[in-house]
Amino acid sequence: GAGVSQSPSNKVTEKGKDVELRCDPISGHTALYWYRQSLGQGLEFLIYFQGNSAPDKSGLPSDRFSAERTGGSVSTLTIQRTQQEDSAVYLCASSLVSVAETQYFGPGTRLLVL
Amino acid sequence: KNQVEQSPQSLIILEGKNCTLQCNYTVSPFSNLRWYKQDTGRGPVSLTIMTFSENTKSNGRYTATLDADTKQSSLHITASQLSDSASYICVVSLSYHGGATNKLIFGTGTLLAVQP
Repeated sequence: GAGVSQSPSNKVTEKGKDVELRCDPISGHTALYWYRQSLGQGLEFLIYFQGNSAPDKSGLPSDRFSAERTGGSVSTLTIQRTQQEDSAVYLCASSLVSVAETQYFGPGTRLLVL
Repeated sequence: KNQVEQSPQSLIILEGKNCTLQCNYTVSPFSNLRWYKQDTGRGPVSLTIMTFSENTKSNGRYTATLDADTKQSSLHITASQLSDSASYICVVSLSYHGGATNKLIFGTGTLLAVQP
């Protein structure tokens, strides 16, 4: 594909349910990032994958959040036992190799926890 | 504390006019500074990336400046168009041993509205 894609574009769920968000980075990009954007807030770093290195999970807000990247391509962000404060836009980005390069963002998944 | 502050929070200008958005940061050690444009309902799009040794960079009608001594940056938009209506986000990257890291500190953005 031409850019980073994310699915679903919108997700409404009930408090306590688990959700999975998917990110397809640009083909050939080895670096992948997940961010969270809450209303009126700046983007908040969640997790970073670089090639086969161990991911930087330092931004994950709690152990209810986890992410995987299979085969160095597609990534899924899982939120278990969702809470209302998890409601936000979850953005994925990729870059070719290094963190110093341009990041290309997907359109985001808008998550609403009722 | 590493912070990025942007001003103004919002701005309304008439089509064809110029405007300048400000970014002040306290991030240290500093690696690079980026400006992004985020249309409503979309992901951010990169406009410029500047390292500490660069003090200006242009991308079409967008010109970013950087003063690493005063830790200030600005984004100047020339001859604004309706399509420039968006949120403009300033982002500063932390450095580690002189190299870039994935630690990006995001400002909350300036919301620009260009009116006909």
